[in-house]
Amino acid sequence: SQKIEQNSEALNIQEGKTATLTCNYTNYSPAYLQWYRQDPGRGPVFLLLIRENEKEKRKERLKVTFDTTLKQSLFHITASQPADSATYLCALDISGGYNKLIFGAGTRLAVHP
Amino acid sequence: EAQVTQNPRYLITVTGKKLTVTCSQNMNHEYMSWYRQDPGLGLRQIYYSMNVEVTDKGDVPEGYKVSRKEKRNFPLILESPSPNQTSLYFCASSLSVTGGKEFQFFGPGTRLTVL
Repeated sequence: SQKIEQNSEALNIQEGKTATLTCNYTNYSPAYLQWYRQDPGRGPVFLLLIRENEKEKRKERLKVTFDTTLKQSLFHITASQPADSATYLCALDISGGYNKLIFGAGTRLAVHP
Repeated sequence: EAQVTQNPRYLITVTGKKLTVTCSQNMNHEYMSWYRQDPGLGLRQIYYSMNVEVTDKGDVPEGYKVSRKEKRNFPLILESPSPNQTSLYFCASSLSVTGGKEFQFFGPGTRLTVL
């Protein structure tokens, strides 16, 4: 069965540093991968989508890479701020591009002043 | 304001008492989905709908029903709730499933406790 793994332990970093979160998956070739942010008690909020034929995507301070050989996506937040503290979820499309997603359990990021 | 709304936000009920969680979106989205979120397991899809009158099972459909009679509404029905359905439920919608419109808007969540 499909399996998607994110760092289960919280990531603690200092303000201004780059945060790097990983998402590893097995047993599938997804058409795309999405990253979401979730704050406590709230629904996930979409951040970025990267397709299987894209190596890298950027949006402001966010960067996502997608290595289909390694079956891994990396999510980077540069110049991190305390307001970036949240849980970040990766989600894989497992339906060949028809938006049937499986989600990782998420990685909690804490940015300290 | 573009949004997905869910009601109720919090619900405590007892085993076997039928309940419905409503979900509504005001963005004319075609695709809607229900997820449950449990600690350590991430979001798991219960049911999804590609359009009106088109629904299909997700990964964990047992014990749930849905309907999509109108484009904006996608209620989740628990005919006979059991304690293992205690969870945080999210409804989500997206404009389409292709063409750069796949990202999903999530509702605020419904925390359900079944005693």
